[in-house]
Amino acid sequence: AQSVAQPEDQVNVAEGNPLTVKCTYSVSGNPYLFWYVQYPNRGLQFLLKYITGDNLVKGSYGFEAEFNKSQTSFHLKKPSALVSDSALYFCAVRDRPHSGGYLKVTFGIGTKLQVIP
Amino acid sequence: NAGVTQTPKFRVLKTGQSMTLLCAQDMNHEYMYWYRQDPGMGLRLIHYSVGEGTTAKGEVPDGYNVSRLKKQNFLLGLESAAPSQTSVYFCASADFSYEQYFGPGTRLTVT
Repeated sequence: AQSVAQPEDQVNVAEGNPLTVKCTYSVSGNPYLFWYVQYPNRGLQFLLKYITGDNLVKGSYGFEAEFNKSQTSFHLKKPSALVSDSALYFCAVRDRPHSGGYLKVTFGIGTKLQVIP
Repeated sequence: NAGVTQTPKFRVLKTGQSMTLLCAQDMNHEYMYWYRQDPGMGLRLIHYSVGEGTTAKGEVPDGYNVSRLKKQNFLLGLESAAPSQTSVYFCASADFSYEQYFGPGTRLTVT
């Protein structure tokens, strides 16, 4: 069964510093990987995804994520954090289709990012 | 283009009452989902649909029913609400890229 782990409940970073939010995954085949962000009292918003190709994926709001197959990780990064980046971040995974049929997406439990002014 | 909308935004039910949550999307997406979000547990999939007229169970389907009579709508029903169903409910839709678009959520309290 596929799974996602976000090992940190909360990440604190000073404004202007680089940030990393960690994610590791487990699937039986090759993964599709996603990051979503949730601001208070809002639904989740798509940030970026990895399907295939370049291991470094660029997304919305200056975020990027690096796919590392050997470490089964997909960490979210940003070179310079903003106070407005403070939110809840979710990593998600689904298995790559190999024989047709529907394969669901599994979400991590979320990591709260707090950017300190 | 409204994206994904959910009705109602808030609701308080007494134990044993029933209600239906409505989700609508205007992106012509095939896939639709209902999740619940609880503190410390992330998002858990209740039911999903891969197309009009189809539904399937997710991780936590007990106590819920769904219907997708029209492609743009996905209804979540609670036949007899229980306090354990107090949660925030999110609907989402997706195309074949599996990039999900979420509604704003419904905050349900069962007393």
